[in-house]
Amino acid sequence: GAVVSQHPSRVICKSGTSVKIECRSLDFQATTMFWYRQFPKQSLMLMATSNEGSKATYEQGVEKDKFLINHASLTLSTLTVTSAHPEDSSFYICSAEWTGADTQYFGPGTRLTVL
Amino acid sequence: GENVEQHPSTLSVQEGDSAVIKCTYSDSASNYFPWYKQELGKRPQLIIDIRSNVGEKKDQRIAVTLNKTAKHFSLHITETQPEDSAVYFCAASLLQGAQKLVFGQGTRLTINP
Repeated sequence: GAVVSQHPSRVICKSGTSVKIECRSLDFQATTMFWYRQFPKQSLMLMATSNEGSKATYEQGVEKDKFLINHASLTLSTLTVTSAHPEDSSFYICSAEWTGADTQYFGPGTRLTVL
Repeated sequence: GENVEQHPSTLSVQEGDSAVIKCTYSDSASNYFPWYKQELGKRPQLIIDIRSNVGEKKDQRIAVTLNKTAKHFSLHITETQPEDSAVYFCAASLLQGAQKLVFGQGTRLTINP
């Protein structure tokens, strides 16, 4: 149980375009979802925390107008990278938990490459 | 906010030997300390975790120890095998409300046959 999926697994786009990444909890209702970014050979950095039906809380230094997060249902959160640039190329990983969960469950990640 | 420091950044051990990775945290309110194993291009996988009301936890070849007073915790892997080669991350959070994990910098563990 507690499976989280992400789509797409890989995406290549041109500079200036927008990319949407989906994160789904497949067998539980996720009251909270998290979005992380991981640059090569670096750690996971939390970008934002989203609760179903409310606005996401962004970490310091993360541009909310560039990284749009929507958590419209208890099983789906989306991250849209707007006007992507090469420096946005990274591994984006979501995770999800339910209220009272003992841990959070990670998605498989999305490799974004901006040309 | 919380800050987690992890050492060493790389660790190479002979197959069958033990490996130890150490982390320190700054926020004394943190009460949950998971360890993750991440293979290249894959999701982090929880391998063991410990809560602040426990000083040690063991699961087969893996153990974690926690010293709340010193604010540090360690991962111990015994009888290492080639498949243990990966990047390991420690993390800390507060089990209250949304569980915001703060990760250490990671340790690249290589097991030499």
